[in-house]
Amino acid sequence: AQSVTQLDSQVPVFEEAPVELRCNYSSSVSVYLFWYVQYPNQGLQLLLKYLSGSTLVKSINGFEAEFNKSQTSFHLRKPSVHISDTAEYFCAVSTNAGGTSYGKLTFGQGTILTVHP
Amino acid sequence: DGGITQSPKYLFRKEGQNVTLSCEQNLNHDAMYWYRQDPGQGLRLIYYSQIVNDFQKGDIAEGYSVSREKKESFPLTVTSAQKNPTAFYLCASNPAGPFNYGYTFGSGTRLTVV
Repeated sequence: AQSVTQLDSQVPVFEEAPVELRCNYSSSVSVYLFWYVQYPNQGLQLLLKYLSGSTLVKSINGFEAEFNKSQTSFHLRKPSVHISDTAEYFCAVSTNAGGTSYGKLTFGQGTILTVHP
Repeated sequence: DGGITQSPKYLFRKEGQNVTLSCEQNLNHDAMYWYRQDPGQGLRLIYYSQIVNDFQKGDIAEGYSVSREKKESFPLTVTSAQKNPTAFYLCASNPAGPFNYGYTFGSGTRLTVV
């Protein structure tokens, strides 16, 4: 079974400052990794994902995450945040093992990012 | 546009009543999922279905039931046996098969028991 730990429940930051949201996972098999963003009273939107290949993946709005297999981490970073980045962020893991585990995502507890002017 | 539609957006229920949450997708995805979201607990899997007429219990299935009679529909019933049903419920879908490219989520239903 896999698990995900998001190390910070809340991260306050000032506008234009850099931010890192931390995510560690546990799995005995190969994994796929995802970051989702949720705005208040809305569903989750896929921000970026690691399936294979380059360990550094980027989103269209300036976020990036790096898969670190040795540290079992997938931290999310942005060099300069905007007010509009205020939201809750979820890290999630899925395995590519066979059987009924196909496609099942396990989510972390979420990190609330609040960007202050 | 393709997507997932959850209805209603807000739902109020009296204790002891069953209630059904709707989830419809037009993405032609094989797999569908129901998650429950509570503050500080992330998303917890209730039920999932990888093919029509088949579904599996997730981590917190007690007090819930589902059906999957059509590929595009996966309704969730919250029964009176669910002890603490007030929560935000999210439906998701996935193309399924051997690869997970990331779920598509609906906009959610907020259920309040009064």
